[in-house]
Amino acid sequence: NAGVTQTPKFQVLKTGQSMTLQCAQDMNHNSMYWYRQDPGMGLRLIYYSASEGTTDKGEVPNGYNVSRLNKREFSLRLESAAPSQTSVYFCASSERLLGGYTFGSGTRLTVV
Amino acid sequence: KNQVEQSPQSLIILEGKNCTLQCNYTVSPFSNLRWYKQDTGRGPVSLTIMTFSENTKSNGRYTATLDADTKQSSLHITASQLSDSASYICVVSAGTGGFKTIFGAGTRLFVKA
Repeated sequence: NAGVTQTPKFQVLKTGQSMTLQCAQDMNHNSMYWYRQDPGMGLRLIYYSASEGTTDKGEVPNGYNVSRLNKREFSLRLESAAPSQTSVYFCASSERLLGGYTFGSGTRLTVV
Repeated sequence: KNQVEQSPQSLIILEGKNCTLQCNYTVSPFSNLRWYKQDTGRGPVSLTIMTFSENTKSNGRYTATLDADTKQSSLHITASQLSDSASYICVVSAGTGGFKTIFGAGTRLFVKA
């Protein structure tokens, strides 16, 4: 049982480049989330998907887009990367909104 | 404003000792409170989840308490081990029609031999 799988684990981008972070869960969870974690701060919600077919903005959505491809997969896209997007990104899933999360292992992104 | 504050920011203890981490919140209306353990370079892993009616929940050497009246929670670690060195994150969710889950900044625990 893999849980939540994120790819890639590490990525370096130049300012202005685009990329997509992939996330897949195999627990048949309904809800999925993208968070970013910066030093000294709590995890901040970028976007979430309460159920397949729906997506909503979180606390810090600017500069990002998401796609809930199917029940298993939830991707995060950076269209034009900026240094302020240097962070560790976590995907998570839960059986229902407000339920306990299962997190992926994270993607460490550096934008130079 | 919905907030979750954790103390201390960091803590150093000797292996075998007990410790208690604190979490104060102002999230309202309260739905649930969770504690997570995050090892360096890894994603957070759930330790406990408590709803309004629960005031204590244990997971091995980890015991979480909740006082919904004072909006405080604590995580007590008994007989600490080197592997307990990690960040411990308090997360509080609000039971509204929308989605409101607030993460604390975490307490960094160092267990020394």
